[in-house]
Amino acid sequence: NAGVTQTPKFRVLKTGQSMTLLCAQDMNHEYMYWYRQDPGMGLRLIHYSVGEGTTAKGEVPDGYNVSRLKKQNFLLGLESAAPSQTSVYFCASSLNPLAGGNHEQFFGPGTRLTVL
Amino acid sequence: AQKITQTQPGMFVQEKEAVTLDCTYDTSDQSYGLFWYKQPSSGEMIFLIYQGSYDEQNATEGRYSLNFQKARKSANLVISASQLGDSAMYFCAMREGLQTGANNLFFGTGTRLTVIP
Repeated sequence: NAGVTQTPKFRVLKTGQSMTLLCAQDMNHEYMYWYRQDPGMGLRLIHYSVGEGTTAKGEVPDGYNVSRLKKQNFLLGLESAAPSQTSVYFCASSLNPLAGGNHEQFFGPGTRLTVL
Repeated sequence: AQKITQTQPGMFVQEKEAVTLDCTYDTSDQSYGLFWYKQPSSGEMIFLIYQGSYDEQNATEGRYSLNFQKARKSANLVISASQLGDSAMYFCAMREGLQTGANNLFFGTGTRLTVIP
């Protein structure tokens, strides 16, 4: 199993450009998440999804959109990139927490995005 | 108010010694979970240990143990017999509302641990 994969690993954008980050998981997890990590700060939740076709806002959703058309994929879009969106982006997935267990989130390797 | 506070930006420990990384949390929920993740220099997030608010025993996973003091709202990570490979950033995180469908994590700012040979 590949676990959680993210595409691309690195990207440089100019202000105003758009892009989509792709997250894929092969663990049949219902829940998926997008976080951003900035220097000196922990991870902050951007958006999340509790199932195919559903999305919800997290702590810092402004400037981002997401879609979950297939259970295994979760896309993060930046319509008009800004320098403040320079960050490392992590995707994660987990089982439905009501299914029991410790509800561990499994993380992808991250995408380093620079907006000039 | 910060939900998770890690007051130690950096810690040093001698190889083979034990080290405690501090974490305090703030929640009004009765049902919550606490996690520790490790982030080595390669950048990936590695799950280490979990403690549920209703768990009576402190969680342990190999060399990792969680010192859970509910009244003090602290969930410190103890690493025993430190190894050079333990050098990394360590993040404490909390999930509230265990009995709902929510599973969002709130992270602290992390502690950078350096193991000295």
